[in-house]
Amino acid sequence: AQSVAQPEDQVNVAEGNPLTVKCTYSVSGNPYLFWYVQYPNRGLQFLLKYITGDNLVKGSYGFEAEFNKSQTSFHLKKPSALVSDSALYFCAANTPLVFGKGTRLSVIA
Amino acid sequence: GAGVSQTPSNKVTEKGKYVELRCDPISGHTALYWYRQSLGQGPEFLIYFQGTGAADDSGLPNDRFFAVRPEGSVSTLKIQRTERGDSAVYLCASSSLGADTQYFGPGTRLTVL
Repeated sequence: AQSVAQPEDQVNVAEGNPLTVKCTYSVSGNPYLFWYVQYPNRGLQFLLKYITGDNLVKGSYGFEAEFNKSQTSFHLKKPSALVSDSALYFCAANTPLVFGKGTRLSVIA
Repeated sequence: GAGVSQTPSNKVTEKGKYVELRCDPISGHTALYWYRQSLGQGPEFLIYFQGTGAADDSGLPNDRFFAVRPEGSVSTLKIQRTERGDSAVYLCASSSLGADTQYFGPGTRLTVL
């Protein structure tokens, strides 16, 4: 069965510091990988995706993610966190999407 | 342009009642997906339409759940004899033909009392 794991329920980071939200996957074949963000009472917003090509993918709002095939990981990163980045982040794979359980990011001023 | 819209935004019903949830995808998107998100969990796939037909309904939990998309645009998710365990946020997403990125609506929060 296909699955996506987000090992951290919560990530806390100080404003201006780099942030990482972890994701690992277990899917058959070549994975399609996605990150979505969910703000309170809002739908999921697409951030970025990896389909093929360069392992480092850049997305919206300064976020990027690195695809690592040997570690089956697709961690989300940002060099300098903002308070407004505080939200719930979901990693997902393939189509139809298989989601992780989400990681709540809290950026503290 | 307009995104995916879902109505109602909130629905409260009693156990045993029938409910319909509506999704209006982005104009021109041929693929439409329904997901269910329970509290503290990631969304789980329910059903996928390509045009008017259900291409994959493997995520529907049982035969109380049914969805239609008669004209290849708006879709309705129908739940019969609702149970308290059906309480969740129901999300709809759409994508264009051949594209892999799904765009989500704001969801319908269903509460079964």
